[in-house]
Amino acid sequence: NAGVTQTPKFQVLKTGQSMTLQCAQDMNHEYMSWYRQDPGMGLRLIHYSVGAGITDQGEVPNGYNVSRSTTEDFPLRLLSAAPSQTSVYFCASSYTGGTEAFFGQGTRLTVV
Amino acid sequence: DAKTTQPNSMESNEEEPVHLPCNHSTISGTDYIHWYRQLPSQGPEYVIHGLTSNVNNRMASLAIAEDRKSSTLILHRATLRDAAVYYCILSRGGPSGSARQLTFGSGTQLTVLP
Repeated sequence: NAGVTQTPKFQVLKTGQSMTLQCAQDMNHEYMSWYRQDPGMGLRLIHYSVGAGITDQGEVPNGYNVSRSTTEDFPLRLLSAAPSQTSVYFCASSYTGGTEAFFGQGTRLTVV
Repeated sequence: DAKTTQPNSMESNEEEPVHLPCNHSTISGTDYIHWYRQLPSQGPEYVIHGLTSNVNNRMASLAIAEDRKSSTLILHRATLRDAAVYYCILSRGGPSGSARQLTFGSGTQLTVLP
């Protein structure tokens, strides 16, 4: 019973590097989203998708790209990493109109 | 977007009930009230949600004020494993809302004392 799986769990990047955070869910959920959580704060929405081929911006989208080619996967791309993107990133999924969101275990990203 | 206000921290003794308050005075008629919790080094976990009526599930109870401007999450017997940050969140109902686009505040850090 995998649920929402995020990889990697930890990552260190140098300023300017790019990378992709992976998120996969096996619950056939239409809705997927990415959040970031900075120390001592709540989660902020980066991007979300209501289904394959459809994505939209959340509260803090700058510096990030997403795509949704399949129902299962929703990768988050950092185009040119900056120290301000040091954070813990969470992926979530839910049914359309569902009332419970399922979160992954998070990816802790440090940009030096 | 309607916002919520929660105390920064609360303490409880183990095996005693815990009442976690949340104020949401600008709530609209279609806003659902959700509660999530986040244990240390983990992703948020759904606890309970409601619209107008009080709700019970295996984890907790949700008491919603008659005017819906406040709500209380009730843990009936706190255990050490309930120590977490608890988030009270409003989200729009219907096909375009519910569990989507959750707006997290800073939550309430619950400490459970043995």
